[in-house]
Amino acid sequence: DIQMTQSPSSLSASVGDRVTITCRASQSISRYLNWYQQKPGKAPKLLIYAASSLQSGVPSRFSGSGSGTDFTLTINSLQPEDFATYYCQQSYSTLTFGGGTKVEVK
Amino acid sequence: QVQLVQSGAEVRKPGASVKVSCKASGYTVTTYDIDWVRQATGQGLEWMGWMSPNTGNTGYAQKFQGRVTLTRDTSINTAYMELSSLTSEDTAVYYCARGRHHDTSGYLYDFDIWGQGTMVTVSP
Repeated sequence: DIQMTQSPSSLSASVGDRVTITCRASQSISRYLNWYQQKPGKAPKLLIYAASSLQSGVPSRFSGSGSGTDFTLTINSLQPEDFATYYCQQSYSTLTFGGGTKVEVK
Repeated sequence: QVQLVQSGAEVRKPGASVKVSCKASGYTVTTYDIDWVRQATGQGLEWMGWMSPNTGNTGYAQKFQGRVTLTRDTSINTAYMELSSLTSEDTAVYYCARGRHHDTSGYLYDFDIWGQGTMVTVSP
């Protein structure tokens, strides 16, 4: 299976900050990479699909980039509702998720 | 409103089986796959398998092969996940999710709608 490694595993940030989360695949996955946000006690929510396409209804401060093995999720001007855990997921082969990145209040 | 509604929490003893349901509404259930993902407390997300409600075709993560069975009843727009030979390691929240294909390659695939989750506790 393709291993997905996210970094950092957690970070502390303030409202208004720009936050960057990275996801690395153990082999090339082209652009078959999705990002999800999960809040405590809730199901994950799709943010970005196909590496850089914004899911309908998701604020434009979220953006994704990358291809091959290295991907990035960026949150511009972090809002209070963005404190959550973020997961990447590849769909190139047997589906796998990254370990998650928890964005906490600084 | 497009949604997936799952059955309630379950408690089982080790060695038993559990069957979780996932009822789809607001869309034609046969036009999207249904996948199952689980999450142990404080842990990450783990994909278990997929099913095409249209054909009944299934695919399972190797870890769960032989222990998980995905089925559906299209007459009531409901998918099911049954997990057998439970151990304490299976204690987790189980989610169903709508699998969305963006093209015919099969690679551009994401989960755009999720159920609310079902807590399964395995305890003596």
